[in-house]
Amino acid sequence: NAGVTQTPKFRILKIGQSMTLQCTQDMNHNYMYWYRQDPGMGLKLIYYSVGAGITDKGEVPNGYNVSRSTTEDFPLRLELAAPSQTSVYFCASSYRGKDSPLHFGNGTRLTVT
Amino acid sequence: TQLLEQSPQFLSIQEGENLTVYCNSSSVFSSLQWYRQEPGEGPVLLVTVVTGGEVKKLKRLTFQFGDARKDSSLHITAAQPGDTGLYLCAGGGSAGGTSYGKLTFGQGTILTVHP
Repeated sequence: NAGVTQTPKFRILKIGQSMTLQCTQDMNHNYMYWYRQDPGMGLKLIYYSVGAGITDKGEVPNGYNVSRSTTEDFPLRLELAAPSQTSVYFCASSYRGKDSPLHFGNGTRLTVT
Repeated sequence: TQLLEQSPQFLSIQEGENLTVYCNSSSVFSSLQWYRQEPGEGPVLLVTVVTGGEVKKLKRLTFQFGDARKDSSLHITAAQPGDTGLYLCAGGGSAGGTSYGKLTFGQGTILTVHP
């Protein structure tokens, strides 16, 4: 049981480049989330999904896009990367949503230069 | 917008000391979760408290949810070097609201326990 798997672990992008952060979970969870973590700022929600085909914006969605074609996968797309998107990105899933614990992947450390 | 203020931001103590981390808000939360994160890994859930005034114990860790469900604390007794890490509190949606599991995180407390 792998849980939540994120790839890649590290990536360096030049300003204006695009990339997709991959996230997959094998726990059959309906709810999936993307957070970014910056030093001293906790985690901020970027996008979330309550099931295949359903996505919605979180607190900091600008510059990002997501899709949810299957229950297992929830990729995060960065278009036109900017230095402000330098961060550690975490994907998470939960079984029931409200008050359920989040299961996190090990993160992707992204640097935009 | 719901905010969670976590304090202190940094804590450096000697093995065997006790410590308390606080998580405060002006908003009411349906639940409060505490996570621990180690370098290079994602946060891992320690505990969820859902009832005002609830106290939960996990070995040397004691978690409390405020009576009004606006604040929480984490108390560690006789800290050990293995307790070193980043501790995060997270509030689950406004009471009675539809939150879809979205959490509001505090800024985190970096705890270092020296042998």
